[in-house]
Amino acid sequence: AQTVTQSQPEMSVQEAETVTLSCTYDTSESDYYLFWYKQPPSRQMILVIRQEAYKQQNATENRFSVNFQKAAKSFSLKISDSQLGDAAMYFCAVCLTNFGNEKLTFGTGTRLTIIP
Amino acid sequence: DTAVSQTPKYLVTQMGNDKSIKCEQNLGHDTMYWYKQDSKKFLKIMFSYNNKELIINETVPNRFSPKSPDKAHLNLHINSLELGDSAVYFCASRRGAQYGYTFGSGTRLTVV
Repeated sequence: AQTVTQSQPEMSVQEAETVTLSCTYDTSESDYYLFWYKQPPSRQMILVIRQEAYKQQNATENRFSVNFQKAAKSFSLKISDSQLGDAAMYFCAVCLTNFGNEKLTFGTGTRLTIIP
Repeated sequence: DTAVSQTPKYLVTQMGNDKSIKCEQNLGHDTMYWYKQDSKKFLKIMFSYNNKELIINETVPNRFSPKSPDKAHLNLHINSLELGDSAVYFCASRRGAQYGYTFGSGTRLTVV
């Protein structure tokens, strides 16, 4: 079974600065996908960024980028030019691809606070 | 034009009651899920359905019974509600694993 660990329960960053959220995972599978989701106080789960495990190139979405280290099973999220609207819970997740076992497994989350 | 819609958004009920949460997606996805988010914000899968067929049942008490009348709907019925069932329940659907899941806005269930 796959597990996801987010070792930072809370993080804070000054507005306009850069912050990195850590995530490690464990799976015996070689083919999987990785995701970061954002959950603001509205409770909605919003997909921030995704990464295919077979791709070495790190994914980027505007101010959000990842540092994917497959051998180390590490998948950190970097947020550049932090904005007040980035304040939320951030969840790292891994999804296997084999039918019958395909499910999104989440970490425990990191609460990100933006300091004006 | 909501992609995944859940009703109700809030549900307050007494212990021992039976309640249902409804979920509908208009994305044409084949697979739908129920997740439970506890008071510490931990999200855990409960069930998954693919084209009306149960695929995953993650050791959920049999008081919880999902029902999928068609691939656009996945409802969750809970019998004999207990205090520990209080949580936020999310419905989700997906096109393919590589795209991630699309979540509904959640149903906050409070059992008193």
